[in-house]
Amino acid sequence: NAGVTQTPKFRILKIGQSMTLQCAQDMNHNYMYWYRQDPGMGLKLIYYSVGAGITDKGEVPNGYNVSRSTTEDFPLRLELAAPSQTSVYFCASSPSAGGPHEQYFGPGTRLTVT
Amino acid sequence: AQSVSQHNHHVILSEAASLELGCNYSYGGTVNLFWYVQYPGQHLQLLLKYFSGDPLVKGIKGFEAEFIKSKFSFNLRKPSVQWSDTAEYFCAVNEIRTGGFKTIFGAGTRLFVKA
Repeated sequence: NAGVTQTPKFRILKIGQSMTLQCAQDMNHNYMYWYRQDPGMGLKLIYYSVGAGITDKGEVPNGYNVSRSTTEDFPLRLELAAPSQTSVYFCASSPSAGGPHEQYFGPGTRLTVT
Repeated sequence: AQSVSQHNHHVILSEAASLELGCNYSYGGTVNLFWYVQYPGQHLQLLLKYFSGDPLVKGIKGFEAEFIKSKFSFNLRKPSVQWSDTAEYFCAVNEIRTGGFKTIFGAGTRLFVKA
């Protein structure tokens, strides 16, 4: 199993550009999450999904969009990038059967918006 | 608002020193508790978890944590740290709610172990 994979690893965007951060998992997990990690702030939940076709906002959803057309993939879309979106983005997944479980994290995408 | 507090943002220890990192949460209902570790340049990995049963849980690399329900705490401990324990440590709480759960992460504690 590859676990949770994310692409790209690094990206520099200009203000106003858009991009999609890719996330895929091969563990057949129903739950998937997008977090951003800023220094001293821990992880903030952007969006999450409890299954294909179902997504919901987390704590900091503004400026982002997600879709979940398959169990495996959970892309995060940034429209009109802003400097405040400079961060490290982590995708995670967890199984849902039987209640909550620990999350499995991808390697992260370091995004800089200038 | 519900929250998870990690009291120490930065900790510096010498090798062989003992470690205790504090974690407190505010949710009054049923919880599942986790400690994750993030080594430099790597993604978060599970260190240990508590779901039920013995409140003293043991994880990888000699770490342990104790769930004290009355204190809403889940402190991480290690009797003797090594240079390779240099990392950032995150406490996380699953708040079990009707129809689902909510996961909240603490802000993290950066541990630097001097060789």
